[in-house]
Amino acid sequence: SQKIEQNSEALNIQEGKTATLTCNYTNYSPAYLQWYRQDPGRGPVFLLLIRENEKEKRKERLKVTFDTTLKQSLFHITASQPADSATYLCALPNDYKLSFGAGTTVTVRA
Amino acid sequence: DAGVIQSPRHEVTEMGQEVTLRCKPISGHNSLFWYRQTMMRGLELLIYFNNNVPIDDSGMPEDRFSAKMPNASFSTLKIQPSEPRDSAVYFCASSPVWGGGTEAFFGQGTRLTVV
Repeated sequence: SQKIEQNSEALNIQEGKTATLTCNYTNYSPAYLQWYRQDPGRGPVFLLLIRENEKEKRKERLKVTFDTTLKQSLFHITASQPADSATYLCALPNDYKLSFGAGTTVTVRA
Repeated sequence: DAGVIQSPRHEVTEMGQEVTLRCKPISGHNSLFWYRQTMMRGLELLIYFNNNVPIDDSGMPEDRFSAKMPNASFSTLKIQPSEPRDSAVYFCASSPVWGGGTEAFFGQGTRLTVV
């Protein structure tokens, strides 16, 4: 069956450090992968999309990598700030569906 | 644009009652999704509409759940009768043209509590 697995543990990091989140998947052959941010009491908000032929994508302090051989995406938040504290979800397309991982909660300490 | 608008934001109802959740997608978006989020199961897709037509409702948990999209600017998700295990946050999301990497735009969600 298809699975999307993200870091099972919450991530607590010091301000200024880099947070690295993992998204592993099985039984998918995605043409792309998306990352979303979700704050408490809010809906997910799109952050980044990376396509299967792209190794790396950057947006400001965010960096995403996509390894279709390992079936893994890494999401990095560099120079982290307390405002980056949120839950981050990876999402993979499956036909017309967008399936989400369980998310990793990141807390950045000042 | 105000984004995807859902109502109500919070709903508390008694077991057995009918519950109707509402969604107004972003104007011009032709794809609409209903998701349910719980701690145990995360975000689950319930149903997907394309151009107001339900394409796949395989995620709808039971016959107690039904969804409609009478026009491009309005959709409802109804639970009748409601049960405590239906308690969750329900999200509506829309997308301009689904496929090819288009992002999904989510509403604020409706937190449903069935007592």
